[in-house]
Amino acid sequence: NAGVMQNPRHLVRRRGQEARLRCSPMKGHSHVYWYRQLPEEGLKFMVYLQKENIIDESGMPKERFSAEFPKEGPSILRIQQVVRGDSAAYFCASSYDSNQPQHFGDGTRLSIL
Amino acid sequence: GDSVTQMEGPVTLSEEAFLTINCTYTATGYPSLFWYVQYPGEGLQLLLKATKADDKGSNKGFEATYRKETTSFHLEKGSVQVSDSAVYFCALNYGGATNKLIFGTGTLLAVQP
Repeated sequence: NAGVMQNPRHLVRRRGQEARLRCSPMKGHSHVYWYRQLPEEGLKFMVYLQKENIIDESGMPKERFSAEFPKEGPSILRIQQVVRGDSAAYFCASSYDSNQPQHFGDGTRLSIL
Repeated sequence: GDSVTQMEGPVTLSEEAFLTINCTYTATGYPSLFWYVQYPGEGLQLLLKATKADDKGSNKGFEATYRKETTSFHLEKGSVQVSDSAVYFCALNYGGATNKLIFGTGTLLAVQP
């Protein structure tokens, strides 16, 4: 069974560009979560999605960040007009339902020049 | 609000030493508790969990007991190995519509041969 797949593993963007991070959940999982890990810090929840629906976006910055999980294809975390402070590791997790443990991908390390 | 507090790292031990990593939580309800482990350059892996008071989670020689009276979930292992060197995260969640994980800041464990 393939685990949670994230790509790219590393992404470099210049200030003002857009970053698109992709996450394919484990087979059979329809719940996806995005977390951000800033240097020397723990993971912070960003958004929780279930196919085509945003369940909880309480951790998403109000501007420039958006997430989707379409009926077909991976979940996408999109950051518009990136700034240096967006540099972090972004982790995706998935679960079978809302009461099962979350399984994490290896993350996307975003660097802003 | 809910939060998780972990002991500061790094924790440096010699091989075969006894390990304790302290974790305490503040919760408005009755969450499930987790320990995740992160090896360098990788995502988080679920190490163990406990869903209610007095439950003991265990895996790969690690164990932790859900203590409601002291709001704690300390991680222990009787004899650590070099391969246990990693960052350990304590976390809580409630499942359901509020299924986000709330993490502590992580504790780096370095085991020396």
